[in-house]
Amino acid sequence: GESVGLHLPTLSVQEGDNSIINCAYSNSASDYFIWYKQESGKGPQFIIDIRSNMDKRQGQRVTVLLNKTVKHLSLQIAATQPGDSAVYFCYDRGAGNNRKLIWGLGTSLAVNP
Amino acid sequence: SQTIHQWPATLVQPVGSPLSLECTVEGTSNPNLYWYRQAAGRGLQLLFYSVGIGQISSEVPQNLSASRPQDRQFILSSKKLLLSDSGFYLCAWTLGSTDTQYFGPGTRLTVL
Repeated sequence: GESVGLHLPTLSVQEGDNSIINCAYSNSASDYFIWYKQESGKGPQFIIDIRSNMDKRQGQRVTVLLNKTVKHLSLQIAATQPGDSAVYFCYDRGAGNNRKLIWGLGTSLAVNP
Repeated sequence: SQTIHQWPATLVQPVGSPLSLECTVEGTSNPNLYWYRQAAGRGLQLLFYSVGIGQISSEVPQNLSASRPQDRQFILSSKKLLLSDSGFYLCAWTLGSTDTQYFGPGTRLTVL
């Protein structure tokens, strides 16, 4: 079945380093993806999105890369800060008329001072 | 601007008791509304979604139900709570063809 999974459930980085969080998806027809950040005890918040007609999209300190050939999505955070500590989810809108909203399991990012 | 509210923020209920969680959205009309549950340290499980008043789609069969009595109000209910109903319940909304989901602050439910 369709699924979105995360390569690593936890990631620990030093403050100031760059972080890379990965996500795999299985539906080659999926056309829209979002990365969300969820801080402890709060609802997920939108970080950045990308459509399948793009390979890369940049925001403030964040970059999302989409490799449709291997069905892989990544979130890069530059100069990671303590406030970046959270769980990061990738979201796959699916495709077709009967879209299935697919959430990844999440990666917990811990930033060490 | 749009805002989404959920209450209560936390809730402790005994097994077998009823449940009612409320979600309201302000600043928009005819949103798509969603209920998710998140177990501790886990991902998001979609429970229900609604594209309009009285229109509810269930994703996971269980002892929970949802209702949408007004355009911007979404209610999650149960007649008898189970221990397994404990979790973090999140309400979210989207607008039409846009798929970015905006989440409420969540309700932490503990069933004892």
